[in-house]
Amino acid sequence: KAGVTQTPRYLIKTRGQQVTLSCSPISGHRSVSWYQQTPGQGLQFLFEYFSETQRNKGNFPGRFSGRQFSNSRSEMNVSTLELGDSALYLCASSLKIQDTDTQYFGPGTRLTVL
Amino acid sequence: DAKTTQPPSMDCAEGRAANLPCNHSTISGNEYVYWYRQIHSQGPQYIIHGLKNNETNEMASLIITEDRKSSTLILPHATLRDTAVYYCIVIGDYKLSFGAGTTVTVRA
Repeated sequence: KAGVTQTPRYLIKTRGQQVTLSCSPISGHRSVSWYQQTPGQGLQFLFEYFSETQRNKGNFPGRFSGRQFSNSRSEMNVSTLELGDSALYLCASSLKIQDTDTQYFGPGTRLTVL
Repeated sequence: DAKTTQPPSMDCAEGRAANLPCNHSTISGNEYVYWYRQIHSQGPQYIIHGLKNNETNEMASLIITEDRKSSTLILPHATLRDTAVYYCIVIGDYKLSFGAGTTVTVRA
């Protein structure tokens, strides 16, 4: 079974631009969660989508948004990029029969904001 | 989520078992112990998880103490490819939160 895929793997943007990241979950998984990982802050939860609905949201500004499509693929958008948005963005998929079901991560998108 | 405490680093000889300890003294009854690892700049890889009983899969074994306040991840025959940061986390809801983890270096 194919794992979680994320595109692109690397991205370089400048301040003020916007970016869209894509995530394809494991087949059959209906939940996709997004995380931001930085050396200083560690892994931080952005939001979770299940059946095209945002179910949970972390403490990030409104510049960070996402959506999920009917095939469970998800996109994350960051508008008006800031230098501090440079990070590894990870998505994780899960069956989510219950909240504590295993989350499987993709390889991540490394975003650099100049 | 309950907090976990792990040693910052440990070395292991190739071919030997690696025993990674984790303390989670404030764990609640419905919270699971999960282990992930992350090789430099890659996405975290799921290893194993458990609630109360010891667990084993093709990658590792997880030993949870009877009071559930600590656990040990065992990599039975460490290889150089097992060099990574290992995260022990306790999950009771929808989101994961990694601490600093244990940097494991497997030496030839």
